[in-house]
Amino acid sequence: GESVGLHLPTLSVQEGDNSIINCAYSNSASDYFIWYKQESGKGPQFIIDIRSNMDKRQGQRVTVLLNKTVKHLSLQIAATQPGDSAVYFCAERENSGTYKYIFGTGTRLKVLA
Amino acid sequence: AAGVIQSPRHLIKEKRETATLKCYPIPRHDTVYWYQQGPGQDPQFLISFYEKMQSDKGSIPDRFSAQQFSDYHSELNMSSLELGDSALYFCASSLRPETFYNEQFFGPGTRLTVL
Repeated sequence: GESVGLHLPTLSVQEGDNSIINCAYSNSASDYFIWYKQESGKGPQFIIDIRSNMDKRQGQRVTVLLNKTVKHLSLQIAATQPGDSAVYFCAERENSGTYKYIFGTGTRLKVLA
Repeated sequence: AAGVIQSPRHLIKEKRETATLKCYPIPRHDTVYWYQQGPGQDPQFLISFYEKMQSDKGSIPDRFSAQQFSDYHSELNMSSLELGDSALYFCASSLRPETFYNEQFFGPGTRLTVL
């Protein structure tokens, strides 16, 4: 049964529209950031990543924006499709001598037909 | 392509019992991470191993221990299980953490239910 994302913030988007999912990260020492997509009953799946020395990176239909000044990360999905419906997590990699990944609170994306 | 393999996929235990979860990383990946994901929660980092040595430690209870073996597979041992240990446990693998783009690949998870 569904156990992921029972009480997560939800973003509802019309099919074909663009989606923007936001994430605030906690550690200014974090040097690497990843967006993951998690579908029900599955493990997180890599979508796109960005280094701390960049502010924008584009993939196929996805763009990640990084604003280090306010410690904010966003994921933009162009022309959202029903298959994009999932929970999306951002993760930051803390670099304090060793590497530790911290996940942010997920956002559930619902694509409306 | 080969992915991260976790076993078992589902496990039911009684309180105070022990459980062992196994993770087989993607071939050539030498780093393994363990995460715990409770219902409606984000994945919480537990522990990681690089080249068979503990690399970093997160919010892993003292009742839990883990190790990485010579073939790079890893096992998470959980003792004195509590109801609150019921969760999805994910293993992820990657190349050595010093590689900048060390994308983590996640396994399908083990769903642990403690009764």
